Amino acid sequence: GQQVMQIPQYQHVQEGEDFTTYCNSSTTLSNIQWYKQRPGGHPVFLIQLVKSGEVKKQKRLTFQFGEAKKNSSLHITATQTTDVGTYFCAGRGAGSYQLTFGKGTKLSVIP
Amino acid sequence: DGGITQSPKYLFRKEGQNVTLSCEQNLNHDAMYWYRQDPGQGLRLIYYSQIVNDFQKGDIAEGYSVSREKKESFPLTVTSAQKNPTAFYLCASSILPGYEQYFGPGTRLTVT
Repeated sequence: GQQVMQIPQYQHVQEGEDFTTYCNSSTTLSNIQWYKQRPGGHPVFLIQLVKSGEVKKQKRLTFQFGEAKKNSSLHITATQTTDVGTYFCAGRGAGSYQLTFGKGTKLSVIP
Repeated sequence: DGGITQSPKYLFRKEGQNVTLSCEQNLNHDAMYWYRQDPGQGLRLIYYSQIVNDFQKGDIAEGYSVSREKKESFPLTVTSAQKNPTAFYLCASSILPGYEQYFGPGTRLTVT
Protein backbone atom coordinates (compact mmCIF):
# COMPACT_ATOMS: atom_id res chain seq x y z
CA GLY A 1 0.00 0.00 0.00
CA GLN A 2 0.90 3.63 -0.19
CA GLN A 3 3.46 4.86 2.33
CA VAL A 4 4.28 8.43 3.27
CA MET A 5 7.56 9.05 5.07
CA GLN A 6 8.19 12.29 6.90
CA ILE A 7 11.48 13.56 8.31
CA PRO A 8 12.75 14.60 10.73
CA GLN A 9 10.61 13.17 13.52
CA TYR A 10 11.68 15.93 15.91
CA GLN A 11 13.27 19.35 15.44
CA HIS A 12 14.40 21.79 18.10
CA VAL A 13 15.23 25.29 16.89
CA GLN A 14 16.13 28.59 18.47
CA GLU A 15 13.48 31.25 17.95
CA GLY A 16 14.29 33.10 14.73
CA GLU A 17 15.91 30.10 13.02
CA ASP A 18 14.39 28.47 9.96
CA PHE A 19 12.71 25.03 9.94
CA THR A 20 12.00 22.52 7.19
CA THR A 21 10.12 19.21 7.19
CA TYR A 22 10.17 16.79 4.26
CA CYS A 23 7.62 14.32 3.03
CA ASN A 24 8.22 11.44 0.59
CA SER A 25 5.68 9.07 -0.91
CA SER A 26 6.29 5.59 -2.28
CA THR A 27 3.82 6.31 -5.10
CA THR A 28 2.80 9.28 -7.22
CA LEU A 29 0.26 11.47 -5.49
CA SER A 30 -2.76 13.29 -6.91
CA ASN A 31 -2.38 15.90 -4.19
CA ILE A 32 -0.75 16.50 -0.84
CA GLN A 33 -2.18 18.27 2.19
CA TRP A 34 -0.44 19.75 5.23
CA TYR A 35 -1.85 19.94 8.74
CA LYS A 36 -0.67 21.43 12.04
CA GLN A 37 -1.48 20.00 15.45
CA ARG A 38 -0.77 22.19 18.47
CA PRO A 39 0.15 20.42 21.73
CA GLY A 40 -3.02 18.95 23.25
CA GLY A 41 -5.06 19.90 20.19
CA HIS A 42 -6.32 18.39 16.98
CA PRO A 43 -4.92 18.63 13.43
CA VAL A 44 -5.88 21.77 11.51
CA PHE A 45 -5.69 21.97 7.72
CA LEU A 46 -3.04 24.36 6.39
CA ILE A 47 -2.90 23.91 2.63
CA GLN A 48 -3.31 21.58 -0.35
CA LEU A 49 -0.91 21.26 -3.29
CA VAL A 50 -2.10 19.71 -6.53
CA LYS A 51 0.18 20.65 -9.43
CA SER A 52 3.65 19.31 -10.19
CA GLY A 53 6.29 21.79 -8.96
CA GLU A 54 3.71 23.92 -7.18
CA VAL A 55 4.90 26.43 -4.58
CA LYS A 56 2.51 28.19 -2.20
CA LYS A 57 3.22 30.68 0.57
CA GLN A 58 1.34 31.61 3.71
CA LYS A 59 3.20 34.44 5.45
CA ARG A 60 6.38 32.77 6.80
CA LEU A 61 5.39 29.29 5.58
CA THR A 62 6.41 28.00 2.13
CA PHE A 63 5.03 24.76 0.76
CA GLN A 64 6.45 22.90 -2.24
CA PHE A 65 5.26 19.92 -4.27
CA GLY A 66 7.92 18.02 -6.19
CA GLU A 67 8.07 17.78 -9.96
CA ALA A 68 7.36 14.04 -9.82
CA LYS A 69 4.51 14.58 -7.32
CA LYS A 70 6.14 12.15 -4.89
CA ASN A 71 7.64 14.57 -2.40
CA SER A 72 6.82 17.79 -0.63
CA SER A 73 8.30 20.17 1.89
CA LEU A 74 7.20 22.79 4.38
CA HIS A 75 9.65 25.57 5.24
CA ILE A 76 9.11 28.07 8.03
CA THR A 77 11.23 31.23 7.98
CA ALA A 78 12.25 32.85 11.26
CA THR A 79 10.33 30.56 13.61
CA GLN A 80 8.26 31.97 16.45
CA THR A 81 6.99 30.30 19.61
CA THR A 82 3.53 30.21 18.03
CA ASP A 83 4.90 27.76 15.43
CA VAL A 84 5.28 25.03 18.07
CA GLY A 85 3.39 21.85 17.25
CA THR A 86 3.45 18.78 15.04
CA TYR A 87 3.28 19.21 11.29
CA PHE A 88 1.77 16.39 9.23
CA CYS A 89 1.74 15.83 5.51
CA ALA A 90 -1.03 13.69 4.03
CA GLY A 91 -0.91 12.29 0.53
CA ARG A 92 -3.78 11.25 -1.67
CA GLY A 93 -2.88 8.52 -4.14
CA ALA A 94 -3.87 8.66 -7.78
CA GLY A 95 -7.37 7.24 -8.21
CA SER A 96 -7.98 7.12 -4.47
CA TYR A 97 -9.98 9.23 -2.05
CA GLN A 98 -8.02 8.03 0.96
CA LEU A 99 -5.39 10.20 2.62
CA THR A 100 -2.25 8.59 4.03
CA PHE A 101 -0.65 10.64 6.78
CA GLY A 102 3.04 10.87 7.52
CA LYS A 103 4.10 10.36 11.14
CA GLY A 104 4.65 14.07 11.58
CA THR A 105 7.50 16.37 12.58
CA LYS A 106 7.31 17.75 16.10
CA LEU A 107 8.71 21.28 16.22
CA SER A 108 9.96 22.84 19.44
CA VAL A 109 11.00 26.49 19.48
CA ILE A 110 13.37 27.69 22.18
CA PRO A 111 12.72 31.35 23.07
CA ASP B 1 -21.83 27.43 15.28
CA GLY B 2 -20.58 24.81 12.79
CA GLY B 3 -18.07 22.10 13.44
CA ILE B 4 -17.36 18.59 14.62
CA THR B 5 -18.03 17.46 18.14
CA GLN B 6 -16.68 14.39 19.86
CA SER B 7 -17.71 13.18 23.25
CA PRO B 8 -16.57 12.52 25.80
CA LYS B 9 -13.12 14.15 25.90
CA TYR B 10 -11.77 11.48 28.27
CA LEU B 11 -13.10 7.94 28.61
CA PHE B 12 -12.04 5.16 30.96
CA ARG B 13 -13.08 1.53 30.56
CA LYS B 14 -12.22 -1.85 31.94
CA GLU B 15 -10.67 -4.45 29.68
CA GLY B 16 -13.28 -6.68 28.00
CA GLN B 17 -15.92 -3.95 27.66
CA ASN B 18 -17.10 -2.49 24.38
CA VAL B 19 -17.18 1.30 24.22
CA THR B 20 -18.75 3.68 21.68
CA LEU B 21 -17.21 7.03 20.82
CA SER B 22 -19.49 9.75 19.49
CA CYS B 23 -18.82 11.96 16.46
CA GLU B 24 -21.30 14.54 15.17
CA GLN B 25 -20.88 17.18 12.46
CA ASN B 26 -23.16 19.98 11.29
CA LEU B 27 -21.03 21.00 8.31
CA ASN B 28 -23.21 19.06 5.84
CA HIS B 29 -20.15 17.04 4.84
CA ASP B 30 -20.60 13.79 2.95
CA ALA B 31 -17.38 12.08 4.07
CA MET B 32 -16.40 11.17 7.62
CA TYR B 33 -13.32 9.45 9.04
CA TRP B 34 -11.98 7.88 12.22
CA TYR B 35 -8.28 7.98 13.05
CA ARG B 36 -6.23 6.62 15.88
CA GLN B 37 -3.21 8.56 17.13
CA ASP B 38 -0.45 7.00 19.21
CA PRO B 39 2.76 8.79 20.23
CA GLY B 40 5.23 8.77 17.34
CA GLN B 41 2.78 6.97 15.03
CA GLY B 42 1.01 9.82 13.35
CA LEU B 43 -2.60 9.33 12.29
CA ARG B 44 -3.78 5.89 11.26
CA LEU B 45 -7.11 5.45 9.47
CA ILE B 46 -9.57 3.09 11.13
CA TYR B 47 -12.74 3.49 9.03
CA TYR B 48 -14.13 6.02 6.61
CA SER B 49 -17.50 6.74 5.09
CA GLN B 50 -18.02 8.50 1.79
CA ILE B 51 -21.79 8.69 2.07
CA VAL B 52 -24.66 7.73 4.36
CA ASN B 53 -25.18 3.98 4.82
CA ASP B 54 -21.77 3.20 3.38
CA PHE B 55 -18.36 2.77 5.00
CA GLN B 56 -15.01 1.13 4.28
CA LYS B 57 -12.22 -0.30 6.39
CA GLY B 58 -9.06 1.71 6.73
CA ASP B 59 -5.59 0.46 7.57
CA ILE B 60 -6.30 -0.71 11.15
CA ALA B 61 -10.00 -1.71 11.26
CA GLU B 62 -9.60 -4.92 13.26
CA GLY B 63 -11.37 -4.70 16.62
CA TYR B 64 -13.45 -1.66 15.60
CA SER B 65 -16.91 -1.17 14.11
CA VAL B 66 -18.83 1.84 12.79
CA SER B 67 -22.24 2.84 11.48
CA ARG B 68 -23.39 5.72 9.29
CA GLU B 69 -27.18 5.87 9.56
CA LYS B 70 -27.31 9.66 9.44
CA LYS B 71 -25.20 12.14 7.51
CA GLU B 72 -24.34 14.00 10.71
CA SER B 73 -23.24 11.05 12.81
CA PHE B 74 -20.45 8.46 12.57
CA PRO B 75 -20.04 6.60 15.89
CA LEU B 76 -17.08 4.29 16.46
CA THR B 77 -17.29 1.20 18.67
CA VAL B 78 -14.09 -0.11 20.17
CA THR B 79 -14.75 -3.79 20.84
CA SER B 80 -13.11 -6.12 23.33
CA ALA B 81 -11.34 -7.72 20.34
CA GLN B 82 -9.12 -4.64 19.94
CA LYS B 83 -5.88 -5.75 21.58
CA ASN B 84 -4.49 -2.34 22.48
CA PRO B 85 -7.36 0.16 22.59
CA THR B 86 -5.76 2.86 24.75
CA ALA B 87 -5.17 5.79 22.38
CA PHE B 88 -6.31 9.22 21.21
CA TYR B 89 -9.19 8.90 18.73
CA LEU B 90 -9.89 11.63 16.19
CA CYS B 91 -12.96 12.00 14.02
CA ALA B 92 -12.84 14.10 10.86
CA SER B 93 -15.10 15.09 7.99
CA SER B 94 -14.70 16.54 4.51
CA ILE B 95 -17.22 18.01 2.10
CA LEU B 96 -16.40 15.23 -0.36
CA PRO B 97 -13.98 12.29 -0.19
CA GLY B 98 -10.36 13.39 -0.68
CA TYR B 99 -10.94 17.06 0.18
CA GLU B 100 -9.46 18.90 3.15
CA GLN B 101 -10.47 17.34 6.44
CA TYR B 102 -11.86 19.07 9.51
CA PHE B 103 -11.07 17.35 12.79
CA GLY B 104 -12.97 17.14 16.04
CA PRO B 105 -11.27 17.73 19.40
CA GLY B 106 -10.68 14.01 19.96
CA THR B 107 -11.47 11.45 22.65
CA ARG B 108 -8.70 10.05 24.82
CA LEU B 109 -9.60 6.45 25.68
CA THR B 110 -7.88 4.59 28.49
CA VAL B 111 -8.56 0.89 28.98
CA THR B 112 -7.21 -0.86 32.08
